[in-house]
Amino acid sequence: DIQMTQSPSSLSASVGDRVTFTCRASQSISSYLNWYQQKPGKAPKLLIYGASSLQSGVPSRFSGTGSGTDFTLTISSLQPEDFATYYCQQSHSPSITFGQGTRLEIK
Amino acid sequence: QVQLVQSGAEVKKPGASVKVSCKASGYTLTSYGISWVRQAPGQGLEWMGWISAYSGNTHSAQKLQGRVTMTTDTSTSTAYMELRSLRSDDTAVYYCARLGVAGTRGYSYFDYWGQGTLVTVSS
Repeated sequence: DIQMTQSPSSLSASVGDRVTFTCRASQSISSYLNWYQQKPGKAPKLLIYGASSLQSGVPSRFSGTGSGTDFTLTISSLQPEDFATYYCQQSHSPSITFGQGTRLEIK
Repeated sequence: QVQLVQSGAEVKKPGASVKVSCKASGYTLTSYGISWVRQAPGQGLEWMGWISAYSGNTHSAQKLQGRVTMTTDTSTSTAYMELRSLRSDDTAVYYCARLGVAGTRGYSYFDYWGQGTLVTVSS
């Protein structure tokens, strides 16, 4: 299986900050990389698909870049509702895998 | 609007089986695949498998092969996931998710999710 590694595992930031999350694949996955946001007790929500395409209805402060093995998710200006856990997920292989998540906390 | 509504929480003993349902509305079930994802308490997301609601073809995670069965009933627009020989480490919230596809390169992703079903395995 393709291993997905996210860093950092947790991050503290303030409202208005610019934050970046990193996801690395154990082998090339081209642009078959998605990002999700999950809040406690809720199902994940799709933010970015195909590494850089913004899902309909997702605010433009979210953006994704990368291809091959290295990917980033950036929030340009943190809002109070953005504090959550973020997961990357590869869909290159039929055996889908998720990263372990990055928890974004309020500083 | 697209909705996936899952069945209620379950408590099972070790060695038993559980069957979780996921009723789709707002779209044609056979036009998309359905995946199952689980999340143990305080842990991350684990993909379990996928079923084509059109063909019935399935693909499951290697660690669950032999214990998991995914099916669909197109007459009721419902997908099912059955997990057998339950163990304590199967305790988790189980989600169904619609598998969307976009672009000429066929990027796939989970665009709609059920609300989750808590399965507790305890003696």
